[in-house]
Amino acid sequence: NAGVTQTPKFQVLKTGQSMTLQCAQDMNHEYMSWYRQDPGMGLRLIHYSVGAGITDQGEVPNGYNVSRSTTEDFPLRLLSAAPSQTSVYFCASWRRGDNQPQHFGDGTRLSIL
Amino acid sequence: AQSVTQLGSHVSVSEGALVLLRCNYSSSVPPYLFWYVQYPNQGLQLLLKYTSAATLVKGINGFEAEFKKSETSFHLTKPSAHMSDAAEYFCAVNNFGNEKLTFGTGTRLTIIP
Repeated sequence: NAGVTQTPKFQVLKTGQSMTLQCAQDMNHEYMSWYRQDPGMGLRLIHYSVGAGITDQGEVPNGYNVSRSTTEDFPLRLLSAAPSQTSVYFCASWRRGDNQPQHFGDGTRLSIL
Repeated sequence: AQSVTQLGSHVSVSEGALVLLRCNYSSSVPPYLFWYVQYPNQGLQLLLKYTSAATLVKGINGFEAEFKKSETSFHLTKPSAHMSDAAEYFCAVNNFGNEKLTFGTGTRLTIIP
């Protein structure tokens, strides 16, 4: 049982490049979310999903896209990377009725030059 | 709007001493409150949660927290610190039926041998 798996663990991009951060969970959780973690700011919600085909914006959605075609996968897309998107990104999942994210991935450390 | 404030970005305690990490919340409706722990280079783990049942909540690793409505607080405590408790701790809040979890800015706990 792998839990929540994020790939890649590290990535360096140039400004303007695009990329997709992958997140997969094998627990059949309905809910998934993406957070970014910046020093002194805690975790901020980017996007979340309450089930396949359903996504919604969080606190800081600009510059990011998501889709949820399957229960297992919730990729996060950076359309045109900017230095302000340098951060550590965490994916989380939980069951309906848990009230909160229960399982987090180990994060993707992204640097935009 | 809901929010949490963690007092003290860094806390140091001696091994065997009491651990007290402070969290105050702001919410227009009765909140759900959570404490998470993050070890270096890992995702977050749920320590404990308050969802309007007992006001004293016991979590993993010997931690507990007490919900005090009159003080709008949800402080995290542990009677005797261990070296393995060194980590960053996050307080978080949401409301019933709300998938958007709001995190505090975190408190880094250092244990002095």
